[in-house]
Amino acid sequence: ETGVTQSPTHLIKTRGQQVTLRCSSQSGHNTVSWYQQALGQGPQFIFQYYREEENGRGNFPPRFSGLQFPNYSSELNVNALELDDSALYLCASSLDGGTVRRSYNSPLHFGNGTRLTVT
Amino acid sequence: SQKIEQNSEALNIQEGKTATLTCNYTNYSPAYLQWYRQDPGRGPVFLLLIRENEKEKRKERLKVTFDTTLKQSLFHITASQPADSATYLCALSGSRSSASKIIFGSGTRLSIRP
Repeated sequence: ETGVTQSPTHLIKTRGQQVTLRCSSQSGHNTVSWYQQALGQGPQFIFQYYREEENGRGNFPPRFSGLQFPNYSSELNVNALELDDSALYLCASSLDGGTVRRSYNSPLHFGNGTRLTVT
Repeated sequence: SQKIEQNSEALNIQEGKTATLTCNYTNYSPAYLQWYRQDPGRGPVFLLLIRENEKEKRKERLKVTFDTTLKQSLFHITASQPADSATYLCALSGSRSSASKIIFGSGTRLSIRP
């Protein structure tokens, strides 16, 4: 069983630039969620994708966007980077049955994240 | 707004004792509560899930309680070991207003001293 992998592991960008982070889901999982974790804080929900469609979004501006591909891998794109975007970005996959109720309780399987630094 | 609070101070416990971590929430009616462990530089790892109609759940040395009246969950590690040192995150899901998202507390850092 292949776990969740994220790339790159570390990234340094300049304010105003754009960044793309990538995630490969655990095999057999059809749902991917992205979280932002600032130092000393818990993960903050950005959005979730199920079968290539956005299936819920947290309080993040539109410059945070995502994609899920037919193989269930995913990308997180952030435009017009700000200093406050510096954080650990976590991808988590899960297996959901497609009903809203099943989405609530599927345990999340996290990758080890991408550490983004914006200078 | 929805709020999840966990012990903000780090918890230091002597090896062999029971560690008890607290998770309180407000303005939320979760159907499910999960606990995760996070080690430095790693992603969180799922430990246990408890449903709103369950009072208690156990897995090996771990025990979780869920009191929807008090809006609180307690997470216990019995016979604690130095290898249990990590940050523990409480996560809620299943509110009608929150659709699919699972929201996390800020975590409690636990240190077990030999």
